[in-house]
Amino acid sequence: AQSVTQPDIHITVSEGASLELRCNYSYGATPYLFWYVQSPGQGLQLLLKYFSGDTLVQGIKGFEAEFKRSQSSFNLRKPSVHWSDAAEYFCAVAKRDSNYQLIWGAGTKLIIKP
Amino acid sequence: DGGITQSPKYLFRKEGQNVTLSCEQNLNHDAMYWYRQDPGQGLRLIYYSQIVNDFQKGDIAEGYSVSREKKESFPLTVTSAQKNPTAFYLCASKVKGQGTEAFFGQGTRLTVV
Repeated sequence: AQSVTQPDIHITVSEGASLELRCNYSYGATPYLFWYVQSPGQGLQLLLKYFSGDTLVQGIKGFEAEFKRSQSSFNLRKPSVHWSDAAEYFCAVAKRDSNYQLIWGAGTKLIIKP
Repeated sequence: DGGITQSPKYLFRKEGQNVTLSCEQNLNHDAMYWYRQDPGQGLRLIYYSQIVNDFQKGDIAEGYSVSREKKESFPLTVTSAQKNPTAFYLCASKVKGQGTEAFFGQGTRLTVV
């Protein structure tokens, strides 16, 4: 069965430091790939997505992600985090079939140290 | 502005009562989804609908029911058969049949008292 793994439940980063959140998926073909962010008690907001083409994609709020086919990974990065980046981050994939159902990772909670 | 509206934001229910969560979208999306979110478990799919008057069970449909009488609306009823209904519920919509992103409402926090 297809799955998405976010191995880090929590990550703590100092303000101004760089960030990398990991996402691995299991799927035979290249899926559509997404990163979403959720602030406490809120809905999810799309940060970025990968469908095809350039494997390094830019998103909102200074985030980027790189698709690595050989590693089945789609890690999210930011060169310098801000206190407002504290939130929960979800990776999702959509199978390239008739339904394009989204499969979700369990999320990574980002904590920012002042 | 286009978007998805969930109401209410907070909902309290007594044990044994049914309760309905509202989800309305004006994005002209055919596909709509209901997710349940519990701490540490990510999003779990309850029901989804790809077209009016049709819907399918997701991974955790037991104790829930839905209807899709209008394209814009996809209400979720949490029935008394749902043993642990306290959770955060998220509604989403997307273009059907394409790998485009889903758009989310702001969620409803349901608490059983």
